[in-house]
Amino acid sequence: SQQGEEDPQALSIQEGENATMNCSYKTSINNLQWYRQNSGRGLVHLILIRSNEREKHSGRLRVTLDTSKKSSSLLITASRAADTASYFCATDSAETSGSRLTFGEGTQLTVNP
Amino acid sequence: DGGITQSPKYLFRKEGQNVTLSCEQNLNHDAMYWYRQDPGQGLRLIYYSQIVNDFQKGDIAEGYSVSREKKESFPLTVTSAQKNPTAFYLCASSVFIGTDYARGYTFGSGTRLTVV
Repeated sequence: SQQGEEDPQALSIQEGENATMNCSYKTSINNLQWYRQNSGRGLVHLILIRSNEREKHSGRLRVTLDTSKKSSSLLITASRAADTASYFCATDSAETSGSRLTFGEGTQLTVNP
Repeated sequence: DGGITQSPKYLFRKEGQNVTLSCEQNLNHDAMYWYRQDPGQGLRLIYYSQIVNDFQKGDIAEGYSVSREKKESFPLTVTSAQKNPTAFYLCASSVFIGTDYARGYTFGSGTRLTVV
Protein backbone atom coordinates (compact mmCIF):
# COMPACT_ATOMS: atom_id res chain seq x y z
CA SER A 1 0.00 0.00 0.00
CA GLN A 2 1.18 3.53 -0.70
CA GLN A 3 1.48 5.39 2.59
CA GLY A 4 2.85 8.68 1.30
CA GLU A 5 0.75 10.84 -0.94
CA GLU A 6 2.29 13.86 -2.59
CA ASP A 7 0.61 16.96 -3.90
CA PRO A 8 0.57 18.48 -6.32
CA GLN A 9 0.99 15.62 -8.80
CA ALA A 10 2.63 18.06 -11.20
CA LEU A 11 4.17 21.49 -10.74
CA SER A 12 5.49 23.85 -13.40
CA ILE A 13 7.43 26.99 -12.43
CA GLN A 14 9.92 29.46 -13.85
CA GLU A 15 13.61 29.39 -13.05
CA GLY A 16 14.37 31.35 -9.92
CA GLU A 17 11.00 30.67 -8.29
CA ASN A 18 10.54 28.47 -5.24
CA ALA A 19 8.89 25.05 -5.51
CA THR A 20 6.92 23.50 -2.66
CA MET A 21 5.79 19.89 -2.60
CA ASN A 22 3.72 18.28 0.12
CA CYS A 23 3.49 14.74 1.42
CA SER A 24 0.88 13.19 3.70
CA TYR A 25 1.09 9.79 5.35
CA LYS A 26 -1.12 7.58 7.47
CA THR A 27 0.84 5.75 10.17
CA SER A 28 3.42 6.65 12.82
CA ILE A 29 6.89 6.97 11.40
CA ASN A 30 10.51 6.73 12.52
CA ASN A 31 11.63 9.04 9.75
CA LEU A 32 10.61 10.47 6.40
CA GLN A 33 12.88 10.77 3.39
CA TRP A 34 12.75 12.72 0.15
CA TYR A 35 14.15 11.39 -3.12
CA ARG A 36 14.63 12.77 -6.58
CA GLN A 37 14.33 10.81 -9.84
CA ASN A 38 15.38 12.03 -13.24
CA SER A 39 13.42 10.51 -16.10
CA GLY A 40 14.28 6.84 -16.61
CA ARG A 41 16.89 6.80 -13.85
CA GLY A 42 17.23 5.54 -10.31
CA LEU A 43 16.33 7.49 -7.20
CA VAL A 44 18.75 9.81 -5.46
CA HIS A 45 18.44 10.43 -1.73
CA LEU A 46 17.98 14.13 -0.90
CA ILE A 47 17.27 14.43 2.80
CA LEU A 48 16.09 12.45 5.83
CA ILE A 49 14.11 13.97 8.68
CA ARG A 50 13.52 12.04 11.88
CA SER A 51 10.20 11.97 13.72
CA ASN A 52 11.58 14.15 16.53
CA GLU A 53 12.76 16.84 14.10
CA ARG A 54 10.59 19.63 12.75
CA GLU A 55 12.78 21.21 10.09
CA LYS A 56 15.93 20.39 8.20
CA HIS A 57 18.02 22.21 5.60
CA SER A 58 20.42 21.02 2.95
CA GLY A 59 21.68 23.61 0.48
CA ARG A 60 18.62 24.96 -1.38
CA LEU A 61 16.38 22.31 0.17
CA ARG A 62 14.21 22.83 3.23
CA VAL A 63 12.10 20.02 4.65
CA THR A 64 9.50 20.34 7.38
CA LEU A 65 7.72 17.61 9.29
CA ASP A 66 4.49 17.89 11.26
CA THR A 67 3.83 14.56 12.96
CA SER A 68 0.56 15.78 14.45
CA LYS A 69 -0.80 16.36 10.94
CA LYS A 70 1.17 13.45 9.47
CA SER A 71 2.56 15.68 6.75
CA SER A 72 5.85 16.93 5.35
CA SER A 73 6.85 19.54 2.82
CA LEU A 74 9.88 19.94 0.58
CA LEU A 75 10.84 23.45 -0.47
CA ILE A 76 13.36 24.03 -3.25
CA THR A 77 14.48 27.64 -3.30
CA ALA A 78 15.76 29.56 -6.32
CA SER A 79 14.93 26.69 -8.66
CA ARG A 80 17.02 25.86 -11.71
CA ALA A 81 16.16 24.06 -14.94
CA ALA A 82 18.36 21.19 -13.69
CA ASP A 83 15.91 20.67 -10.78
CA THR A 84 13.38 19.29 -13.28
CA ALA A 85 12.63 15.76 -12.01
CA SER A 86 10.13 13.72 -10.04
CA TYR A 87 10.28 14.05 -6.27
CA PHE A 88 9.11 11.31 -3.92
CA CYS A 89 8.58 11.15 -0.20
CA ALA A 90 9.15 7.84 1.52
CA THR A 91 8.22 6.84 5.04
CA ASP A 92 9.95 4.48 7.41
CA SER A 93 7.03 3.24 9.46
CA ALA A 94 7.33 2.75 13.22
CA GLU A 95 5.58 -0.59 12.70
CA THR A 96 8.30 -1.96 10.46
CA SER A 97 11.13 -0.10 12.22
CA GLY A 98 13.72 0.41 9.54
CA SER A 99 13.07 -2.71 7.54
CA ARG A 100 11.49 -1.00 4.51
CA LEU A 101 10.44 2.31 2.95
CA THR A 102 6.99 3.04 1.54
CA PHE A 103 6.89 5.55 -1.32
CA GLY A 104 4.29 8.02 -2.44
CA GLU A 105 3.19 8.64 -6.01
CA GLY A 106 5.55 11.56 -6.54
CA THR A 107 5.41 15.15 -7.76
CA GLN A 108 6.66 15.88 -11.28
CA LEU A 109 8.47 19.23 -11.15
CA THR A 110 9.20 21.15 -14.34
CA VAL A 111 11.40 24.24 -14.09
CA ASN A 112 11.20 26.36 -17.22
CA PRO A 113 14.29 28.34 -18.22
CA ASP B 1 33.63 3.47 -6.67
CA GLY B 2 30.96 1.99 -4.43
CA GLY B 3 27.47 1.57 -5.75
CA ILE B 4 24.72 -0.67 -7.04
CA THR B 5 24.81 -2.14 -10.50
CA GLN B 6 21.68 -3.36 -12.22
CA SER B 7 21.80 -5.28 -15.45
CA PRO B 8 20.66 -5.32 -18.10
CA LYS B 9 19.41 -1.76 -18.59
CA TYR B 10 16.75 -2.94 -21.07
CA LEU B 11 15.23 -6.42 -21.23
CA PHE B 12 12.67 -7.88 -23.56
CA ARG B 13 10.73 -10.98 -22.64
CA LYS B 14 8.35 -13.13 -24.59
CA GLU B 15 5.12 -14.08 -22.91
CA GLY B 16 5.48 -17.29 -20.91
CA GLN B 17 9.21 -16.86 -20.28
CA ASN B 18 10.98 -16.36 -16.99
CA VAL B 19 13.65 -13.66 -16.84
CA THR B 20 16.17 -12.77 -14.16
CA LEU B 21 17.25 -9.23 -13.34
CA SER B 22 20.66 -8.79 -11.76
CA CYS B 23 21.49 -6.52 -8.82
CA GLU B 24 24.98 -6.31 -7.32
CA GLN B 25 26.27 -3.91 -4.65
CA ASN B 26 29.74 -3.29 -3.28
CA LEU B 27 28.66 -0.97 -0.49
CA ASN B 28 28.73 -3.69 2.17
CA HIS B 29 25.07 -2.91 2.89
CA ASP B 30 23.20 -5.61 4.77
CA ALA B 31 19.72 -5.02 3.34
CA MET B 32 18.57 -5.12 -0.28
CA TYR B 33 15.26 -4.41 -1.97
CA TRP B 34 13.38 -4.72 -5.26
CA TYR B 35 10.82 -2.12 -6.27
CA ARG B 36 8.57 -1.91 -9.30
CA GLN B 37 7.64 1.41 -10.88
CA ASP B 38 4.86 1.84 -13.45
CA PRO B 39 4.64 4.97 -15.66
CA GLY B 40 3.81 8.10 -13.69
CA GLN B 41 3.57 6.22 -10.43
CA GLY B 42 5.52 5.67 -7.26
CA LEU B 43 7.54 2.64 -6.22
CA ARG B 44 5.95 -0.55 -4.95
CA LEU B 45 7.96 -3.04 -2.92
CA ILE B 46 8.28 -6.54 -4.37
CA TYR B 47 10.74 -8.30 -2.04
CA TYR B 48 13.36 -7.32 0.50
CA SER B 49 16.17 -9.05 2.33
CA GLN B 50 17.82 -7.94 5.54
CA ILE B 51 20.42 -10.71 5.79
CA VAL B 52 21.92 -13.42 3.60
CA ASN B 53 19.68 -16.45 3.02
CA ASP B 54 16.59 -14.62 4.25
CA PHE B 55 14.01 -12.48 2.45
CA GLN B 56 10.45 -11.25 2.91
CA LYS B 57 7.59 -10.53 0.56
CA GLY B 58 6.68 -6.95 -0.07
CA ASP B 59 3.35 -5.61 -1.26
CA ILE B 60 3.33 -7.14 -4.75
CA ALA B 61 5.37 -10.37 -4.54
CA GLU B 62 3.05 -12.57 -6.63
CA GLY B 63 4.74 -13.73 -9.84
CA TYR B 64 8.23 -12.85 -8.61
CA SER B 65 10.99 -14.77 -6.83
CA VAL B 66 14.33 -13.80 -5.30
CA SER B 67 17.39 -15.32 -3.71
CA ARG B 68 20.05 -13.92 -1.39
CA GLU B 69 22.96 -16.35 -1.41
CA LYS B 70 25.59 -13.62 -1.11
CA LYS B 71 25.54 -10.29 0.68
CA GLU B 72 26.44 -8.48 -2.54
CA SER B 73 23.80 -10.00 -4.80
CA PHE B 74 19.98 -10.01 -4.86
CA PRO B 75 18.66 -11.25 -8.22
CA LEU B 76 14.98 -10.97 -9.09
CA THR B 77 13.22 -13.51 -11.31
CA VAL B 78 10.06 -12.41 -13.07
CA THR B 79 8.12 -15.58 -13.70
CA SER B 80 5.46 -16.38 -16.28
CA ALA B 81 2.93 -16.15 -13.43
CA GLN B 82 3.38 -12.37 -13.36
CA LYS B 83 0.51 -11.22 -15.57
CA ASN B 84 1.66 -7.68 -16.28
CA PRO B 85 5.44 -7.60 -15.97
CA THR B 86 6.17 -4.63 -18.22
CA ALA B 87 7.61 -2.00 -15.85
CA PHE B 88 10.73 -0.28 -14.59
CA TYR B 89 12.47 -2.31 -11.86
CA LEU B 90 14.66 -0.66 -9.26
CA CYS B 91 17.03 -2.36 -6.85
CA ALA B 92 18.20 -0.67 -3.67
CA SER B 93 20.38 -1.40 -0.68
CA SER B 94 20.52 0.18 2.75
CA VAL B 95 22.53 0.41 5.93
CA PHE B 96 21.80 1.82 9.40
CA ILE B 97 23.06 5.40 9.65
CA GLY B 98 22.53 6.18 13.30
CA THR B 99 21.67 4.78 16.69
CA ASP B 100 17.98 4.77 15.83
CA TYR B 101 16.36 2.72 13.06
CA ALA B 102 17.17 5.23 10.31
CA ARG B 103 18.59 3.70 7.15
CA GLY B 104 20.39 5.31 4.26
CA TYR B 105 19.26 3.93 0.89
CA THR B 106 21.14 3.73 -2.39
CA PHE B 107 19.37 2.91 -5.64
CA GLY B 108 20.57 1.32 -8.84
CA SER B 109 19.83 2.88 -12.23
CA GLY B 110 17.04 0.43 -13.03
CA THR B 111 16.07 -2.22 -15.57
CA ARG B 112 13.26 -1.56 -18.00
CA LEU B 113 11.44 -4.82 -18.76
CA THR B 114 9.13 -5.09 -21.75
CA VAL B 115 7.02 -8.08 -22.67
CA VAL B 116 6.83 -8.58 -26.42
